[in-house]
Amino acid sequence: GENVEQHPSTLSVQEGDSAVIKCTYSDSASNYFPWYKQELGKRPQLIIDIRSNVGEKKDQRIAVTLNKTAKHFSLHITETQPEDSAVYFCAASRVDSSYKLIFGSGTRLLVRP
Amino acid sequence: DGGITQSPKYLFRKEGQNVTLSCEQNLNHDAMYWYRQDPGQGLRLIYYSQIVNDFQKGDIAEGYSVSREKKESFPLTVTSAQKNPTAFYLCASSTSGLHGETQYFGPGTRLLVL
Repeated sequence: GENVEQHPSTLSVQEGDSAVIKCTYSDSASNYFPWYKQELGKRPQLIIDIRSNVGEKKDQRIAVTLNKTAKHFSLHITETQPEDSAVYFCAASRVDSSYKLIFGSGTRLLVRP
Repeated sequence: DGGITQSPKYLFRKEGQNVTLSCEQNLNHDAMYWYRQDPGQGLRLIYYSQIVNDFQKGDIAEGYSVSREKKESFPLTVTSAQKNPTAFYLCASSTSGLHGETQYFGPGTRLLVL
């Protein structure tokens, strides 16, 4: 069935360094890929998304890249700050079942001051 | 996402008891969703509704029920048939449930079994 794998499960970086989180999806018909940030005990919030007609999207310090051939997409955070510490989830959905976001298992990012 | 509210924040369930989690939105969104989040795991879809008086099962609907009598409200009932209900429950909404729309999440309800 549809599946999204996310790695790593935990990531610790020094403040100012970059962080990269990778996701692989199984359904080749997937074409919408959002990323959510969830702080401890809080709701997930969308930080960036990408659609299959583009290979990269950037918003200030965060960027997402998509490789449809390899069926993987990645979140890149540059110049990390302590407030970036949170759990990050990737997700994927396909055009004919848009309601159904398949989530990865999450990456806990810790940015050390 | 500030337009989605969930209550209560914490809920305790006794054995054999049904409990209902509230979700309300004032964003005029047609589509609403219920997810379950277990520790160290991603979100799994329980039920969704794309329009009033209609809803569909998600991946883990067994032991849950929903209703959608009003556009603003999508309550979730955790029945006694759900044997492992302890989890963080998140409600979400989107404009129309069509492809590629952002889903906005509520603050969540943490359900614990006594």
